[in-house]
Amino acid sequence: QVQLVQSGAEVKKAGASVRVSCKASGYMFTSYDVSWVRQAPGQGLEWMGWISAYNGSTNYAQKFQGRVTMTTDTSTTTAHMELRSLTSDDTAVYYCARARTIFGVVAYMNVWGEGTTVIVSS
Amino acid sequence: QSALTQPPSASGTPGQRISFSCSGAHSNIGTYSVNWFQHLPGTAPKLLIYGLNQRPSGVPDRFSGSKSGTSASLAISGLQSGDEADYYCASWDDSLSGWVFGGGTKLTVL
Repeated sequence: QVQLVQSGAEVKKAGASVRVSCKASGYMFTSYDVSWVRQAPGQGLEWMGWISAYNGSTNYAQKFQGRVTMTTDTSTTTAHMELRSLTSDDTAVYYCARARTIFGVVAYMNVWGEGTTVIVSS
Repeated sequence: QSALTQPPSASGTPGQRISFSCSGAHSNIGTYSVNWFQHLPGTAPKLLIYGLNQRPSGVPDRFSGSKSGTSASLAISGLQSGDEADYYCASWDDSLSGWVFGGGTKLTVL
């Protein structure tokens, strides 16, 4: 079946970086894109950006530009999201999602990973 | 402050029909389709509605979406206790060149 399996929880110090992985299976990896979304404690969902699994092109939310890097590895059908210069405000559950984009516009996100908890301590 | 505005809470009784609103602007809902997600914190969000009121396979037809101008709505008919969750609208936004979520509506089934 189609699924996205994410890497385990992380605890990081402020100022450090974190890398979250998202292993895709059950579908043609390069036929879809991958979006990343996070949810801080008590807050709503927040979109971070997307990456094309076909050609690696990216579109990052303005808030994260310069601090986030999204990559994919087609040989392992895995997407990665690295967030740098962490602060306590980055404490959140991070989700990857299979996305369909049309001319660079995300149309929908129809399969989601289970989430990765990232805790940033000072 | 979210680009899409949703009421923070809603409640209903089993069997009732309930709807949630999502207010946006021309740059998002006025131009692009709206997605609706059901989310229990700590679990994977679930896509309920996308495109022109389309439902992914497995989503019952109790869930339906509509859009008018810069606002959208999600309706749930035959409310069940298992529908208790947070509901988010989302859409692409030209001004931000990115995807935006509403703040979410917490549904309580009394």
